[in-house]
Amino acid sequence: QLQLQESGSGLVKPSQSLSLTCAVSGGSISSGGGYSWSWIRQPVGKGLEWIGFFFLSGNTYYNPSLKSRVTISVDRSKNQFSLKLTSVTATDTAVYYCARRGATGWFDPWGQGTLVTVSS
Amino acid sequence: SYVLTQPPSVSVAPGLTAKITCGGNNIGSKSVHWYQQKPGQAPVLVVYDDIDRPSGIPERFSGSNSGNTATLTISRVEAGDEADYYCQVWDTSSDHPWVFGTGTKVTVL
Repeated sequence: QLQLQESGSGLVKPSQSLSLTCAVSGGSISSGGGYSWSWIRQPVGKGLEWIGFFFLSGNTYYNPSLKSRVTISVDRSKNQFSLKLTSVTATDTAVYYCARRGATGWFDPWGQGTLVTVSS
Repeated sequence: SYVLTQPPSVSVAPGLTAKITCGGNNIGSKSVHWYQQKPGQAPVLVVYDDIDRPSGIPERFSGSNSGNTATLTISRVEAGDEADYYCQVWDTSSDHPWVFGTGTKVTVL
């Protein structure tokens, strides 16, 4: 059974960078099948916002509102992928999820999520 | 960008049927996916591609999509169905293609 697990810094100072990693187990990121790998976030008590995703081909797609600050990368040897968000502010405080994206745009499964707080 | 509108809340008694709507311009022409999120947990996909259920999701969860409204129907509602539900589409005509609905809190009375 495919499982995803986020890890990374839980507290980040304003103007610094947020870095998270998503470890994939029970399957390979490189298995193809038309899947891509994604990051989604949710401010506490609010709705869901997609951040971006990448295909194994190397193509990446980012939310236009975050595009200038986001980088998603992959480490196939470790079967994991990462998120970097630069110049963070308090509005970036949220629970960050990683998820596998299917061919028609659905997300499944999701990691358990990790809370990132931006505060000095 | 594309907007998906959901009612903020739906209340239903156990054993009855809950219908959660997701409104969007010509949403019937798009693939709609639905997620269940319980407090403190990650979202779980309950319906994808309008009508399909992932493995392990009860048949009580069903979806439909036509015109400007998609609907998630929960039959024979149980206490464990109390959660937030989000719809989501992939709007290929937009530069912001992955859109989530505003979310609906389902309360089991």
